[in-house]
Amino acid sequence: KNQVEQSPQSLIILEGKNCTLQCNYTVSPFSNLRWYKQDTGRGPVSLTIMTFSENTKSNGRYTATLDADTKQSSLHITASQLSDSASYICVVSSAGGVTGGGNKLTFGTGTQLKVEL
Amino acid sequence: DGGITQSPKYLFRKEGQNVTLSCEQNLNHDAMYWYRQDPGQGLRLIYYSQIVNDFQKGDIAEGYSVSREKKESFPLTVTSAQKNPTAFYLCASSYRDSSDYTGELFFGEGSRLTVL
Repeated sequence: KNQVEQSPQSLIILEGKNCTLQCNYTVSPFSNLRWYKQDTGRGPVSLTIMTFSENTKSNGRYTATLDADTKQSSLHITASQLSDSASYICVVSSAGGVTGGGNKLTFGTGTQLKVEL
Repeated sequence: DGGITQSPKYLFRKEGQNVTLSCEQNLNHDAMYWYRQDPGQGLRLIYYSQIVNDFQKGDIAEGYSVSREKKESFPLTVTSAQKNPTAFYLCASSYRDSSDYTGELFFGEGSRLTVL
């Protein structure tokens, strides 16, 4: 069974500090991995996508890594801001499924991040 | 601006009533989806549609129904047969599967349904 596990479940940090969120997956065959940001009461928005051949990708203060061998990904947030307070969801796509346009998507439960003054 | 519009934002339903959640997109996407989000759980797929007049059941379709009469619209009806309908419902759209399709979903703002 395809699974995506995220840790920690929740995290509180002070503004300006860095943090790293983890995503472990058992999804096969692997197609790609996305990180989404979901503000409270809103829909998720894609931050970055990682394909099999990519190790690191940055999007502003967000940097995602992927280790396809150990099936782990991380999302590092640098110099956190109050607006970073949100749930961060890891979504892994497996090729060949019939859900979602040919790709089967498996969602993690998310890490709830709160940035405080 | 292009995007996905869900309505209503909040909805209250009495037990035994059917309710319909609206989802409209102007992104010219072929595929549309409905997900359910519950606390502590990942998003679960209810129904999806890759083309007008065609739709498929997702992982938790029981107690729900959809239609896809127009490319832009994909309404979801939560029927009285759904035993635990209180949840946050998210509509999404995407490009249809192709060689360069990367699986990105574009989500609406969500509709929160509460059963009284």
